[in-house]
Amino acid sequence: QKEVEQDPGPLSVPEGAIVSLNCTYSNSAFQYFMWYRQYSRKGPELLMYTYSSGNKEDGRFTAQVDKSSKYISLFIRDSQPSDSATYLCATLSNDYKLSFGAGTTVTVRA
Amino acid sequence: EAQVTQNPRYLITVTGKKLTVTCSQNMNHEYMSWYRQDPGLGLRQIYYSMNVEVTDKGDVPEGYKVSRKEKRNFPLILESPSPNQTSLYFCASSLAFGQPQHFGDGTRLSIL
Repeated sequence: QKEVEQDPGPLSVPEGAIVSLNCTYSNSAFQYFMWYRQYSRKGPELLMYTYSSGNKEDGRFTAQVDKSSKYISLFIRDSQPSDSATYLCATLSNDYKLSFGAGTTVTVRA
Repeated sequence: EAQVTQNPRYLITVTGKKLTVTCSQNMNHEYMSWYRQDPGLGLRQIYYSMNVEVTDKGDVPEGYKVSRKEKRNFPLILESPSPNQTSLYFCASSLAFGQPQHFGDGTRLSIL
């Protein structure tokens, strides 16, 4: 079983819709949580970084962490065609273990 | 401009022919890492380096070598490449372990 599970999609939504992305993880030692966005033929770029349960907001993006359920989410409000990309969740433990989800491909239709 | 630079971006080669993928960062980062990305498997860590002369294995180190002689450079070496090493490779760096990582644009390797 992979340590971080992520539905690969693909996910297709109309412009303006809310995009909801989810990951689950199995290791309680994971303390830090990240979301990366990856455009085609480019490296991942960091979107959100958090280390606590609860919500963190940055513009149209909200990251949500529920440590009791081992569940992390990313919400994109008012989605735009430029949000079309692959989104990767990642977790980091205190003992240097870094794990990525497989990524979810999102298409926002104009 | 702050960046992680990988070379080459694309390479097609044959089984057994030694190759090196270079990685250089200009942000004075302590931590550097190599990943491979395969469909359905996501990013898997090959090797990482906490600082100069300090390297350690990630999840999939078999068939790879690395070195960290200088802070800015972290080359990935495939001594005897095999077809199962055909993949998209990313180098990343961060100020320290646990800090957000900056990724290069990737190197697509095809080994025939």
